[in-house]
Amino acid sequence: EAGVTQFPSHSVIEKGQTVTLRCDPISGHDNLYWYRRVMGKEIKFLLHFVKESKQDESGMPNNRFLAERTGGTYSTLKVQPAELEDSGVYFCASSQEIGSGEKLFFGSGTQLSVL
Amino acid sequence: RKEVEQDPGPFNVPEGATVAFNCTYSNSASQSFFWYRQDCRKEPKLLMSVYSSGNEDGRFTAQLNRASQYISLLIRDSKLSDSATYLCVVNRAGNTGKLIFGQGTTLQVKP
Repeated sequence: EAGVTQFPSHSVIEKGQTVTLRCDPISGHDNLYWYRRVMGKEIKFLLHFVKESKQDESGMPNNRFLAERTGGTYSTLKVQPAELEDSGVYFCASSQEIGSGEKLFFGSGTQLSVL
Repeated sequence: RKEVEQDPGPFNVPEGATVAFNCTYSNSASQSFFWYRQDCRKEPKLLMSVYSSGNEDGRFTAQLNRASQYISLLIRDSKLSDSATYLCVVNRAGNTGKLIFGQGTTLQVKP
């Protein structure tokens, strides 16, 4: 069974540009999460989708970040315009039910570098 | 103050050593507790859940003290392959899957 896949694995962009990250959850998983780790900090929650609906977006840093999950399958996270402080590793995770951390499967992340 | 606090280390230990990691959390309403492992440039993976009664999985033992809001992980007979960052993770009440991570403790096991 395929795990959570993320694309691209690395992205290097200049300040002011736009970047779109993609996450394909495990097939059948209704719950999809975005997390982020910036340099020297802990991994932090960004938002949670249940199917195509945003269940919780309390962790989104600001309105430069837009997450979508059209059709309730894959999700995209767009940063526009990117700023230097957006650099970090963006992780996607999915689970079959709203549950605890036991049932969360993480993708390998997208390393974003904003220069 | 961070909601989940860990000593970042690094902990440098020889093979075969026993090493213990500690973690404290500030939100008394926290409901579920975990240790995740993260290898360099990889995703976090669940190592084990932590229960009040304590739980053991081979060389790994996790303990939870709700009164002190304290979580621990003990690794016995350390292997080179145990080298990684160990993340203390808490789930808030409601089991939403919104995890709160500690910064992680780095372990380096040397031959």
